[in-house]
Amino acid sequence: AQTVTQSQPEMSVQEAETVTLSCTYDTSESNYYLFWYKQPPSRQMILVIRQEAYKQQNATENRFSVNFQKAAKSFSLKISDSQLGDTAMYFCAFMKLTSGTYKYIFGTGTRLKVLA
Amino acid sequence: DAGVIQSPRHEVTEMGQEVTLRCKLISGHNSLFWYRQTMMRGLELLIYFNNNVPIDDSGMPEDRFSAKMPNASFSTLKIQPSEPRDSAVYFCASSLDSSDEQFFGPGTRLTVL
Repeated sequence: AQTVTQSQPEMSVQEAETVTLSCTYDTSESNYYLFWYKQPPSRQMILVIRQEAYKQQNATENRFSVNFQKAAKSFSLKISDSQLGDTAMYFCAFMKLTSGTYKYIFGTGTRLKVLA
Repeated sequence: DAGVIQSPRHEVTEMGQEVTLRCKLISGHNSLFWYRQTMMRGLELLIYFNNNVPIDDSGMPEDRFSAKMPNASFSTLKIQPSEPRDSAVYFCASSLDSSDEQFFGPGTRLTVL
């Protein structure tokens, strides 16, 4: 069975600094998708970044980038130049297609607090 | 587009009562997902639909839970009878297709007393 592990329940970072959130997953599949979602205190979940497993290049979205290590089954999120608005819960998620059905699994989340 | 709309935003009910949560998809989206979020279990996918058809309901906890899509833009999640352990935030999300970015609604916070 697939699992997604986020080993850091809480983290904090000073404004303008860089922080890395870790995520590991377990699967026997070779083709799948990985996501990072952000849930701010307002509760609305939004997509931060997405990575296809078949792509070797790490995805980047402005200040957000990932370090995708397929062999190690690791998918960490790096936030550069942290801003107060980055304070949120961050969820790592795994998705794969099996027999015509998509399977989604979310990690338990990392609560990030950006300090002024 | 106003995004995914969920109602009610908050629901407090007594054990044994029927609860219906509602979701309106973003126009043009074909996939609809229902999630449950609790402190203990995190975010769990309950069920998802593609083109109004339930594709995977393996996350639905038990027969007390049921979900429907009567049309392409609307879905309901019903709990009957409700129990205190059903207390959680329930999210609805939609996407263009099942593998695309999901857009989440604001959630419904359900409290069963």
